[in-house]
Amino acid sequence: SQQGEEDPQALSIQEGENATMNCSYKTSINNLQWYRQNSGRGLVHLILIRSNEREKHSGRLRVTLDTSKKSSSLLITASRAADTASYFCATAIGGSYIPTFGRGTSLIVHP
Amino acid sequence: GAGVSQSPSNKVTEKGKDVELRCDPISGHTALYWYRQSLGQGLEFLIYFQGNSAPDKSGLPSDRFSAERTGGSVSTLTIQRTQQEDSAVYLCASSPRPSWDTEAFFGQGTRLTVV
Repeated sequence: SQQGEEDPQALSIQEGENATMNCSYKTSINNLQWYRQNSGRGLVHLILIRSNEREKHSGRLRVTLDTSKKSSSLLITASRAADTASYFCATAIGGSYIPTFGRGTSLIVHP
Repeated sequence: GAGVSQSPSNKVTEKGKDVELRCDPISGHTALYWYRQSLGQGLEFLIYFQGNSAPDKSGLPSDRFSAERTGGSVSTLTIQRTQQEDSAVYLCASSPRPSWDTEAFFGQGTRLTVV
């Protein structure tokens, strides 16, 4: 079963709008990571947030983590057509070395 | 190298044949992961290598799948007697530390098509 699940499965927005994706997980974690995938190929790491952190920023990305609700969100501000990709969250159950990925959110940004 | 390298990038094989997929991790990275991704799906964990420790093979779907990592560097994933359901993108990732507390670096994957 999936440890992390992204929501929504698909998101379509206009350039300049903000995009918000959510991730829910089931068990305690040490950290949560977000990755981006273009065209079904390799994943690129975006941001890592640790279990004792609540919010983290990187450029136009903002990630929040709510361990009480076992959820995280990824916000992309002022989206661009180049942000079109699939976005995955990855978690490892506390103490585990094996990260599990959700099915991802497919984001389309229309120019 | 600059990143994780996988070869071949694409592989078409006939049902029943064996295939070998190769992964060259980033030099010095001790952790190496194999995942596979079917069309429109998430990543399915296959196997994990860490240094000289015994690999975690808990994700391998059947005994037709095996993997090795020689000298703590290059890894080869072998699929014997391929089936059509083996068609997927096979992704390799490496990480500098064994625990999942730092980013993993992914290769571009091998797209396997079994016909």
